[in-house]
Amino acid sequence: GAVVSQHPSWVICKSGTSVKIECRSLDFQATTMFWYRQFPKQSLMLMATSNEGSKATYEQGVEKDKFLINHASLTLSTLTVTSAHPEDSSFYICSAFDRQGGIYNEQFFGPGTRLTVL
Amino acid sequence: GENVEQHPSTLSVQEGDSAVIKCTYSDSASNYFPWYKQELGKGPQLIIDIRSNVGEKKDQRIAVTLNKTAKHFSLHITETQPEDSAVYFCAASKVRGFQKLVFGTGTRLLVSP
Repeated sequence: GAVVSQHPSWVICKSGTSVKIECRSLDFQATTMFWYRQFPKQSLMLMATSNEGSKATYEQGVEKDKFLINHASLTLSTLTVTSAHPEDSSFYICSAFDRQGGIYNEQFFGPGTRLTVL
Repeated sequence: GENVEQHPSTLSVQEGDSAVIKCTYSDSASNYFPWYKQELGKGPQLIIDIRSNVGEKKDQRIAVTLNKTAKHFSLHITETQPEDSAVYFCAASKVRGFQKLVFGTGTRLLVSP
């Protein structure tokens, strides 16, 4: 199956700083990537959908100026949490999908990135 | 929009027993229903899925059933093993892969030896 990686796997930062999380599809071209946030013992909540080369579509209630998403290539999407605060501490998970009719027809999830803001 | 409810929130079984997790969805236009297993500190992994034109699908010890009329779908795990212990999520979507998934609230399954 397809492999999706995330980097870093965990990060600790001070309040007010920005943090960038990378999501890579390792063996297929991801025309669409999804970013999710998961708080402890809760479900995955979709934050935004990004298509390669275009602006991300954010879910209602997600601040696009705070969570910057860039999907500049078919194998890489980045999520930047700007001016992070303790309430942004969460498990961030990406998934990738090849919309151009490749051999894969499902979302593949990355291993997640645990963000802790002090 | 779509809303997916999942029960139970926790499920404890003895090794070898069967486990059943149930989900209901609200949007009759949903036609793709995957199930994911998430281990602690990891991303979810697809374990089985079903489309709306199929009532049941089985893969070794895992099966999923779908009742579109009632908007119910269930995950069945037989002969449970300790390594089945994890959090299981159901989800619903209108189109496999491309459209966004709406996840259920999760079920924590504990299989005791």
